[in-house]
Amino acid sequence: DVKVTQSSRYLVKRTGEKVFLECVQDMDHENMFWYRQDPGLGLRLIYFSYDVKMKEKGDIPEGYSVSREKKERFSLILESASTNQTSMYLCASYGTAGNTIYFGEGSWLTVV
Amino acid sequence: TQLLEQSPQFLSIQEGENLTVYCNSSSVFSSLQWYRQEPGEGPVLLVTVVTGGEVKKLKRLTFQFGDARKDSSLHITAAQPGDTGLYLCAGDFSGYSTLTFGKGTMLLVSP
Repeated sequence: DVKVTQSSRYLVKRTGEKVFLECVQDMDHENMFWYRQDPGLGLRLIYFSYDVKMKEKGDIPEGYSVSREKKERFSLILESASTNQTSMYLCASYGTAGNTIYFGEGSWLTVV
Repeated sequence: TQLLEQSPQFLSIQEGENLTVYCNSSSVFSSLQWYRQEPGEGPVLLVTVVTGGEVKKLKRLTFQFGDARKDSSLHITAAQPGDTGLYLCAGDFSGYSTLTFGKGTMLLVSP
């Protein structure tokens, strides 16, 4: 089975802290994505990557950065967390050989 | 940014009833996907539709892609409590799988 694993399910961070959200996939997928999901707003794309060391901005990249040093790992970084970044963050991956996008279970981040 | 309108936002029905969820856009999709998400979990893919006019069935779920590839519907026959969840449509407008999601339909099926 394809597995997309997000390292932290629940985090509580203070305003101004640097936050790392890690995502690992085991299917050798080229494409990886970070979304955030908020009530009434649905899923919104933050960043995506179609190859190692490559990254592209999504619809809401402000306040975030990403890192893709290895094919299987895509990290989302909040340089200085703010309360409006409290949300559920979803990582996803997709391989060019198929048309199925697989999601991780999500990381609930609360910034206080 | 492309927009996907999904309706209704909430649906509360009794077991055994039928329902339809709609997903519309003013732009053409290269493909459209339907997901189901349970509380505390990530979305799980139900189906992908690619061809205009395409109809796909998954047990009691019927998915239809509009002829012009700008809209889609999900019909559930004889809903069961196990169908409860958030249903999301997602369109790929670019062909590069950067999906744009609708806001979702929260379905509650009561016994």
